[in-house]
Amino acid sequence: GQQLNQSPQSMFIQEGEDVSMNCTSSSIFNTWLWYKQDPGEGPVLLIALYKAGELTSNGRLTAQFGITRKDSFLNISASIPSDVGIYFCAGYGGATNKLIFGTGTLLAVQP
Amino acid sequence: ETGVTQTPRHLVMGMTNKKSLKCEQHLGHNAMYWYKQSAKKPLELMFVYNFKEQTENNSVPSRFSPECPNSSHLFLHLHTLQPEDSALYLCASSQPGQPYGYTFGSGTRLTVV
Repeated sequence: GQQLNQSPQSMFIQEGEDVSMNCTSSSIFNTWLWYKQDPGEGPVLLIALYKAGELTSNGRLTAQFGITRKDSFLNISASIPSDVGIYFCAGYGGATNKLIFGTGTLLAVQP
Repeated sequence: ETGVTQTPRHLVMGMTNKKSLKCEQHLGHNAMYWYKQSAKKPLELMFVYNFKEQTENNSVPSRFSPECPNSSHLFLHLHTLQPEDSALYLCASSQPGQPYGYTFGSGTRLTVV
């Protein structure tokens, strides 16, 4: 079935550093989504992307929908301690018309 | 508070117990979902309900039994679970066919002993 490969699995950075994570798939998607999950909570939507090549920002977060429709990346600039959590990519559409989640990237920020 | 409320937040149950998880949303959504989140695994979709009707069951064992009495409430009835069923169970809701509108609850942390 469709799978999303998300990397890196984890990142340990200093406050103020920029962060980049990405998601790749063997199948194409019509929509790419990025979620953040705080400890002990459910995922919360950060950014949604609907068109190949689309670049969208939400504050210090920027995400792009890859031209091939098989990948997406998320950048976080000038990280702060509250950025800590697990970031999930998710793709929608394609062969199954379902929302498929990546394995997540655990982000730890050292003050 | 996301608008999707799950209770209880934590549950410890024995393998012979019967318990139920509850999910409630007042966002006006007509689709509700159960996900299982285990450590180091992607979120696993278990069940989908659209307008109270089950439209998807991803080969979930029968020891998990969902119930959707109306578009605002979703239950997951549990019986004779196994230790490997210990996980965070997340409920989500959306308007059908609108993936960007998935709103998740805070989850129920289930431990089977």
